[in-house]
Amino acid sequence: QVQLVESGGGVVQPGRSLRLSCAASGFTFSTYPMHWARQAPGKGLEWVAVISKDGRDKHYADSVKGRFSISRDNSKNTLYLQMNSLRPEDTAVYYCAKDIKVAAADYYFDYWGQGTLVTVSS
Amino acid sequence: EIVLTQSPATLSLSPGERATLSCRASQSVSIYLAWYQQKPGQAPRLLIYGASNRATGIPARFSGSGSGTDFTLTISSLEPEDFAVYYCQQRSNWPLITFGQGTRLEIK
Repeated sequence: QVQLVESGGGVVQPGRSLRLSCAASGFTFSTYPMHWARQAPGKGLEWVAVISKDGRDKHYADSVKGRFSISRDNSKNTLYLQMNSLRPEDTAVYYCAKDIKVAAADYYFDYWGQGTLVTVSS
Repeated sequence: EIVLTQSPATLSLSPGERATLSCRASQSVSIYLAWYQQKPGQAPRLLIYGASNRATGIPARFSGSGSGTDFTLTISSLEPEDFAVYYCQQRSNWPLITFGQGTRLEIK
């Protein structure tokens, strides 16, 4: 069965960096686009970034553009999110999610990890 | 940015009743809309995509309809496990993906 397991969250000071990881199993990771989404405490969902199956194509939400970077290692079945210049408003549970469609992103998310909490606070 | 407005914010119903949740887009999203269910402490779960297609393993009591700017998620007969928060999401103008603010479905 499909499993997505995030790690790397924690408490970090404003302006610092953090890297999240998402270990995938139960499907052919290298054939699917992958996404990161987040949810601030008690708030709704926000899409963050997408990466194509081969890692060449990436897109970001305006709120993180220029600060966050999505990447993947298909040999390790792992997705990453490098977060730089963190702000208090980046505080959220970060989820990795699998795109529903093979090859080209369809931007529907059929499997989600359980999330990892990032808290940006001094 | 396409804004999705969900109504009502909270819906109070009893098991066995029919639930109708609404999602309205600030501009047409064609049929590029999905619905997710989220229970406390859990990740979202995809229910419906492409406005009316049930995701894998989703019970038939869940159905979606609509196109353009007005969409509906219907749960035909509520089960105890259906009480949760429901979000709509559009992918019409990807990669500018947006979600609605959510509807909380609570037990009356």
